[in-house]
Amino acid sequence: QITLKESGPTLVKPTQTLTLTCTFSGFSLSTDVVDIVGVGWIRQPPGKALEWLALIYRNDDKRYSPSLKSRLTITKDTSKKQVVLTMADMDPVDTATYYCAHRREGYSYGSGAFDIWGQGTMVTVAS
Amino acid sequence: QSVLTQPPSASGTPGQMVTISCSGSRSNIGSATVNWYQQLPGTAPKLLIYSNSQRPSGVPDRFSASKSGTSASLAISGLQSEDEADYYCEAWDESLHGGVFGFGGGTKLTVL
Repeated sequence: QITLKESGPTLVKPTQTLTLTCTFSGFSLSTDVVDIVGVGWIRQPPGKALEWLALIYRNDDKRYSPSLKSRLTITKDTSKKQVVLTMADMDPVDTATYYCAHRREGYSYGSGAFDIWGQGTMVTVAS
Repeated sequence: QSVLTQPPSASGTPGQMVTISCSGSRSNIGSATVNWYQQLPGTAPKLLIYSNSQRPSGVPDRFSASKSGTSASLAISGLQSEDEADYYCEAWDESLHGGVFGFGGGTKLTVL
């Protein structure tokens, strides 16, 4: 059974860097497995839509939202079964619930889906 | 601004059929598969439909979806009160930076 859980600060100040950790179980991000699997981060401001932020695949291929690319870094720690997202220069508009999700691709990149989601963690940006 | 366009709201009465559209472009829906997610109030999104029209195990067959050209649609038949939720479409977009993901703006479904 695949599970994911997000953790990190609930409150950050403007201009600070946010670090979120996704701890998962039930699958591996090690490179000794063939299928295309990754972990992505998606956020949702209160009352607003989902916004994809970043994704890291098992082979360490990383994808970022073009609009936030300069502020985001995604990494994985295979042995700890964790994926870490850092977002620099936080602003009140970054207040949102942040989700991590498992993605299994099909025949190619982008052919899969975010099939299992974490419960999300709410982050407020305020001074 | 979302990559994919959805109507902000939809509604229906119990037992009715409701459809929700998702419009994109050649670089996303036109060349990639579409997924749909259901988000019940106060909960995380859940995968509802993958690969344009496939239902994960446990999703009732009242939910169906299709894709044509650069648009996709989700249909819910035999509408039930528990279907009241936000629905999002999602697709890979190959035009940017070697491929990125995009969600629609979401459609809030109200069961009257």
